[in-house]
Amino acid sequence: DIQMTQSPSTLSASVGDRVTITCRASQSISSWLAWYQQKPGKAPKLLIYKASSLESGVPSRFSGSGSGTEFTLTISSLQPDDFATYYCQQSTAFGPGTKVDIK
Amino acid sequence: QITLKESGPTLVKPTQTLTLTCTFSGFSLSTSGVGVGWIRQPPGKALEWLALIYWDDDKRYSPSLKSRLTITKDTSKNQVVLTMTNMDPVDTATYYCAHRSILHRDAFDIWGQGTMVTVSS
Repeated sequence: DIQMTQSPSTLSASVGDRVTITCRASQSISSWLAWYQQKPGKAPKLLIYKASSLESGVPSRFSGSGSGTEFTLTISSLQPDDFATYYCQQSTAFGPGTKVDIK
Repeated sequence: QITLKESGPTLVKPTQTLTLTCTFSGFSLSTSGVGVGWIRQPPGKALEWLALIYWDDDKRYSPSLKSRLTITKDTSKNQVVLTMTNMDPVDTATYYCAHRSILHRDAFDIWGQGTMVTVSS
């Protein structure tokens, strides 16, 4: 089974900061990785698929990169609406999540 | 416009079997590349991938839960059903169904609102 890890588990940041979240797979998953944003009480929202493809309607401040076993989600300039929990996903497993909160 | 909605019991007793239905609109599960998956989230915890069924009736299950899960589809009713046997209090969670397209590979681009299931005697 492929295991997914994320770091950090919690990230405190300010509006305007550049934020990077890392996701690692226990074995190579090529570029088959997605990123989601979830807010309390809401279903997750797809941000990035195939490691670096921006989902339609998602702001361009979100970007994804990586392949193989290491991937990153970057928010170029954190906005108030971006405080949330972020999850990575390979085909059959999610990462444990990274909570982005206000510094 | 694609929508999905989960339905089923809000409360089940330990050892019982849970049956959840995902009713969708805006797409057909007979279209090549399409799939519907189930994901759950215990209160305050992370997302957990459960199962996925494809347009061609291929199925994938979480290895840790495979013995307890069955996923089926009824294309004529636009429904996907997930059954989970031998329910335990640790299975208390919000259960989501979600849409998968060939463009997104195995990412889920559209999600239902989720349904909360509590396991308690």
